[in-house]
Amino acid sequence: QSALTQPASVSGSPGQSITISCTGTNSDVGGYKYVSWYQQYPGKTPRLMIYDVSQRPSGVSVRFSGSKSGNTASLTISGLQAEDEADYYCCSYASNNNYVFGGGTKLTVL
Amino acid sequence: QVQLQESGPGLVKSSETLSLTCVVSGSSISSGYYWGWIRQPPGKGLEWIGSIYHSGTTFYNPSLKSRVTVSVDMSKKQFSLKLSSVTAADTAIYYCARLDDAFDIWGQGTMVTVSP
Repeated sequence: QSALTQPASVSGSPGQSITISCTGTNSDVGGYKYVSWYQQYPGKTPRLMIYDVSQRPSGVSVRFSGSKSGNTASLTISGLQAEDEADYYCCSYASNNNYVFGGGTKLTVL
Repeated sequence: QVQLQESGPGLVKSSETLSLTCVVSGSSISSGYYWGWIRQPPGKGLEWIGSIYHSGTTFYNPSLKSRVTVSVDMSKKQFSLKLSSVTAADTAIYYCARLDDAFDIWGQGTMVTVSP
C-alpha cells in the first residue's frame, strides 16, 4: 500500500482559512468513511483532530473541519491562529484491515 | 482517563529483534478496542505498523508483515511489538495507540535507535 498524498506545506495568515488535501485511492480514502486527521507539534505526540471524515473529538475547536470527495479528503482550518502552526497527517483505513498515513503537511501561519 | 505508556530498549543492534511493550491504564484492554503500533523516523512521517484485538486477532502493514509480531497480555494489561532483523531504517520513535475509528489515544512514544 502506498502512502496517501498530501502537500508538503501550506501557509496562511491569521484569520484566514486553509485547506489541506489528502489523496488516496478507491481502496482507502475513496472506499471507506474511516479518514482521520492528526496534529503534531515538533517533538510532541500526534493528536487526533478529525475522525470518520468529518467528526470532531471532544475538545477540538470547531475551527477544524473535515470532508471527503471521491478519493480525496480535506482538512479545513478556519480563523487561522498562530497556535495552529504544526504538522498535519491524514490517515485512512484501507482494505484487509490495514491503515495508511499521508506524508504530512507543514502548516505555517504567516 | 486512559493512558498508554511504551517501554523497551532505546538501542538495538542491527540484525537483532526490537521489542517494545505498551501498558494500558485507566481502561480494560479487553474493552472492545483495537490497539496499535505506529512509528515515525526522525524528521519523517507516520507509518502504521500493526494492530491487535484483545482476542489476539492481528493485522500488519504488508511492508513489514514478514518481520512483525504484535501480541497481547490481558493479565498484565499490555500489548507488545517485536520487529526482527532490524536495520538503520527501523530507527524511529515508536508509538502505541488505542484504535477506535481512529487512533484516538497515544502513548508518549519511545525512541529506538538501531546501531551498526
